[in-house]
Amino acid sequence: DTGVSQNPRHKITKRGQNVTFRCDPISEHNRLYWYRQTLGQGPEFLTYFQNEAQLEKSRLLSDRFSAERPKGSFSTLEIQRTEQGDSAMYLCASHRRGSGNTIYFGEGSWLTVV
Amino acid sequence: AQSVTQLDSQVPVFEEAPVELRCNYSSSVSVYLFWYVQYPNQGLQLLLKYLSGSTLVKGINGFEAEFNKSQTSFHLRKPSVHISDTAEYFCAVMGDEKLTFGTGTRLTIIP
Repeated sequence: DTGVSQNPRHKITKRGQNVTFRCDPISEHNRLYWYRQTLGQGPEFLTYFQNEAQLEKSRLLSDRFSAERPKGSFSTLEIQRTEQGDSAMYLCASHRRGSGNTIYFGEGSWLTVV
Repeated sequence: AQSVTQLDSQVPVFEEAPVELRCNYSSSVSVYLFWYVQYPNQGLQLLLKYLSGSTLVKGINGFEAEFNKSQTSFHLRKPSVHISDTAEYFCAVMGDEKLTFGTGTRLTIIP
């Protein structure tokens, strides 16, 4: 069990550029979540997958955001045409449904849009 | 729908003193409650969870929490804090297959 892995850990980008974050969940975890956390706030739910199916998207996830989990393993979160308001930490988490409801989080990916 | 309220945004405590971090929740479904800790520039680490059974739950690092259904609370306690407990603490409720978090409480330990 190597934990939830996210990369890159830090990304600085210019406004208008596209960025992509990757998340590798714990092996055999069929659920994968993305959250966003801004300074001084708790994590806010963005979306989650059951295997490769995206089951729910928050209204926080604007059209510029897209998440995929093509083979039910790793996931990517892409932000197109970044805005300064996108600056935040993006957290990935995974969970094996039926295993006691514990959701395990990665270290997060910090995005700074300048 | 579910929500979590953490009334104290910051709690300063002297080293070796006891601490209680407050959490109140609302949920329209079965209640599963969690406390996570976040150290600077890191992700979230699970401290403890309540799923069912005994209302007093013990977690890592000497923390414990008590589920109180009538008061819809899940307060976190530690009898004696250490400098290494300095961190942000988040209470969360599981509902609709996902976690909903409070805004967090920053615990600062004063030497």
